[in-house]
Amino acid sequence: EAQVTQNPRYLITVTGKKLTVTCSQNMNHEYMSWYRQDPGLGLRQIYYSMNVEVTDKGDVPEGYKVSRKEKRNFPLILESPSPNQTSLYFCASSERDRGHEQYFGPGTRLTVT
Amino acid sequence: QQQVKQSPQSLIVQKGGISIINCAYENTAFDYFPWYQQFPGKGPALLIAIRPDVSEKKEGRFTISFNKSAKQFSLHIMDSQPGDSATYFCAAEGWGGSEKLVFGKGTKLTVNP
Repeated sequence: EAQVTQNPRYLITVTGKKLTVTCSQNMNHEYMSWYRQDPGLGLRQIYYSMNVEVTDKGDVPEGYKVSRKEKRNFPLILESPSPNQTSLYFCASSERDRGHEQYFGPGTRLTVT
Repeated sequence: QQQVKQSPQSLIVQKGGISIINCAYENTAFDYFPWYQQFPGKGPALLIAIRPDVSEKKEGRFTISFNKSAKQFSLHIMDSQPGDSATYFCAAEGWGGSEKLVFGKGTKLTVNP
């Protein structure tokens, strides 16, 4: 089954404790990205990757890091989480970066206290 | 800077009625306009998409109407059903240029039985 998986699905952590949210896709997609979804703000892109070892900032990259060492994986790293990073996070992938369907993962709900 | 403006923020419709969600954009470089549907606890999924060479696209009960001169596009859901209750996001991107995918803020649709 073609899918994007994220782990964990739910996470409660404390300010400053480094965490990683994993994302994996099994569709051999080149393009992957991370979004955060907040009430009233919709989906905002954090980082994206055009291919292995190629990443770039989205609209709200502050406080986040990413890496793309393998085509299928695109982890999101919060080196020092803060309460304003409490949000619902989605990983997405698509064949290319333009004009192609984005396949979203199930989401990770993060709470930073 | 909000590149795609979506309205209304929420919408309540009776079963069998027509649901209409509107979006407007300013950037004329946008040339691909998808709509995503998100059920509670799930990631968004592509519902229907249109390119500006046509003014309308229909898939079952879902229709996109596109007005290039007005830079507006809308989603019509005919014979709305309780199972259509979800959040809908319009989006826009530029196929050949640097205009990456941007989302509207979403519309929460509730269809009452």
